[in-house]
Amino acid sequence: DIQMTQSPSSLSASVGARVTITCRASQDIKNYLAWFQQKPGRAPKSLIHAASTLQSGVPSKFSGSQSGTDFTLTISNLQPEDSATYYCQQYNSYPHTFGQGTKLEIK
Amino acid sequence: EVQLLESGGGLVQPGESLRLSCAVSGLTFSTHTMTWVRQAPGKGLEWVSGISAADGSTYYADSVKGRFTISRDNSKNMLYLEINSLRAEDTAIYYCRTQVTYWGQGALVTVSS
Repeated sequence: DIQMTQSPSSLSASVGARVTITCRASQDIKNYLAWFQQKPGRAPKSLIHAASTLQSGVPSKFSGSQSGTDFTLTISNLQPEDSATYYCQQYNSYPHTFGQGTKLEIK
Repeated sequence: EVQLLESGGGLVQPGESLRLSCAVSGLTFSTHTMTWVRQAPGKGLEWVSGISAADGSTYYADSVKGRFTISRDNSKNMLYLEINSLRAEDTAIYYCRTQVTYWGQGALVTVSS
């Protein structure tokens, strides 16, 4: 199975700041990587697929990038509503494993 | 508007069975690979099972293989998850989802005596 190592597990940042969350795949997954946002008590929301393609309706403050088996989610101009847990998931091969999640707190 | 609506969750005893259903609308269901994802209380997301659009091939996480069965009815735009021999560790919210884009609101399954 492919392991997805997500870091950090939590972070705190100020309003207006920019943060980066990283996922590393244990083997090549091409660009089959998605990012999700989940707020407490809510279903997850899809942000990005194919490593860097923004889902329809997702603001451009969210962006994704890839370097080999390292994937990055960047969130710019942080606002209180960005407070959530973020997950990556590979869908290159079954089982489609998730990262452990990153809890983002906005100060 | 795309909608995925799960049903069939509830409180069940260990060893019992349950069938979750997911009604899908707003997209061409038969062309979409579908998945089930679950989340235990206070835990992260866990991919559970998937079924392809092309040939109906099915895939399972090791943790559920042999107990869970995913299926679909393209004529009814329905996705199902049959869960047998339920265990306490199966307690979770179960989400129906397309490959990576659209999510349902989730169905809570609680396994307890």
